[in-house]
Amino acid sequence: RKEVEQDPGPFNVPEGATVAFNCTYSNSASQSFFWYRQDCRKEPKLLMSVYSSGNEDGRFTAQLNRASQYISLLIRDSKLSDSATYLCVLGGSQGNLIFGKGTKLSVKP
Amino acid sequence: EADIYQTPRYLVIGTGKKITLECSQTMGHDKMYWYQQDPGMELHLIHYSYGVNSTEKGDLSSESTVSRIRTEHFPLTLESARPSHTSQYLCASSERETQPQHFGDGTRLSIL
Repeated sequence: RKEVEQDPGPFNVPEGATVAFNCTYSNSASQSFFWYRQDCRKEPKLLMSVYSSGNEDGRFTAQLNRASQYISLLIRDSKLSDSATYLCVLGGSQGNLIFGKGTKLSVKP
Repeated sequence: EADIYQTPRYLVIGTGKKITLECSQTMGHDKMYWYQQDPGMELHLIHYSYGVNSTEKGDLSSESTVSRIRTEHFPLTLESARPSHTSQYLCASSERETQPQHFGDGTRLSIL
């Protein structure tokens, strides 16, 4: 089983839609979790950290389920500018970060 | 937000040349990383450093080498470039391991 698994998509949604991504991980000892966003041919940028109690930042909500070893990202009221690849990232056993392959989101007018 | 800079932004060069990709950060971060990413593919960690004089190889084997003589500087060198080295190279830094990493703009390397 890969350390981090994501559905590659693409998720094609209309503007204003709500879309959710899940990510599963194999290392139950992971302590830190993040969602990054990467635009085409650009560097990854931190979107938000994921906390055990779940957290929200505007239209974005992240949740962590340790028992089932998955994290989720919910985007409400999708904007055209949300089109990007969303990377699930967790702390690895060697103290580095493990990046998922990413889920591609395309928001259409 | 971390200030981390990579040069050059783009490099097209012939086979056999020695190349150094520069990465500098002004945040005083001890932890620095190099990733390789092909178009549409995931990031692969190729080198990391936990501080001055510390360098480690990452998950993906790479023919490149790195050095960390100063905290702010983490250059990557290819002694003899080959077409298989064509890729995007991304440098990142963080205050502590498992903390969010902040990325530079990347270097797009194309070996002819």
